[in-house]
Amino acid sequence: ELKVEQNPLFLSMQEGKNYTIYCNYSTTSDRLYWYRQDPGKSLESLFVLLSNGAVKQEGRLMASLDTKARLSTLHITAAVHDLSATYFCAVSFLSGGGADGLTFGKGTHLIIQP
Amino acid sequence: DADVTQTPRNRITKTGKRIMLECSQTKGHDRMYWYRQDPGLGLRLIYYSFDVKDINKGEISDGYSVSRQAQAKFSLSLESAIPNQTALYFCATSDRDRGHNQPQHFGDGTRLSIL
Repeated sequence: ELKVEQNPLFLSMQEGKNYTIYCNYSTTSDRLYWYRQDPGKSLESLFVLLSNGAVKQEGRLMASLDTKARLSTLHITAAVHDLSATYFCAVSFLSGGGADGLTFGKGTHLIIQP
Repeated sequence: DADVTQTPRNRITKTGKRIMLECSQTKGHDRMYWYRQDPGLGLRLIYYSFDVKDINKGEISDGYSVSRQAQAKFSLSLESAIPNQTALYFCATSDRDRGHNQPQHFGDGTRLSIL
């Protein structure tokens, strides 16, 4: 059974600070996804990470993947209030190609205060 | 217009009732999924379908059934609703032809409350 663990589950930080959210998963997978969810809203795709060592950046967010350690990180640089949301990592539980169901972490509820 | 449309957006019903949640998409994707979201638990997969002839159980399929009426439509049914099925339900789609390097696309969700 594939398990995905995120930490922290709750994070309150000040604007301008840096922080990292961690996502560990239990079995081999080379596809990892990061999503953002605003309160009462749907999930918005942020990053798709496909291979070991993959790094992607969009604005103040940067995601990386280490498949050997089964670890992905989402790094926030110089946080701003607009980044307040819940962030989910998700891992595909089928290997070998083809879209399939995702196993999600429980989410990190991020609050960025002025 | 939304690419992935879920109806209804909100529903309140009573224990024992049969409920159907509907999902339609205009993205032309062949793969569709149903998830439920509970506070503090993330999203969990209920069922998924790779095409109209293919239905697969997910992590938490007990108490649910699905129907893939067409490539663009995927409905989720609760045959006899119970209170612990109160949750936020999401439909999602993905595209086989574009490969697994594309994310799943989610609808806006159906908030279901069972009294």
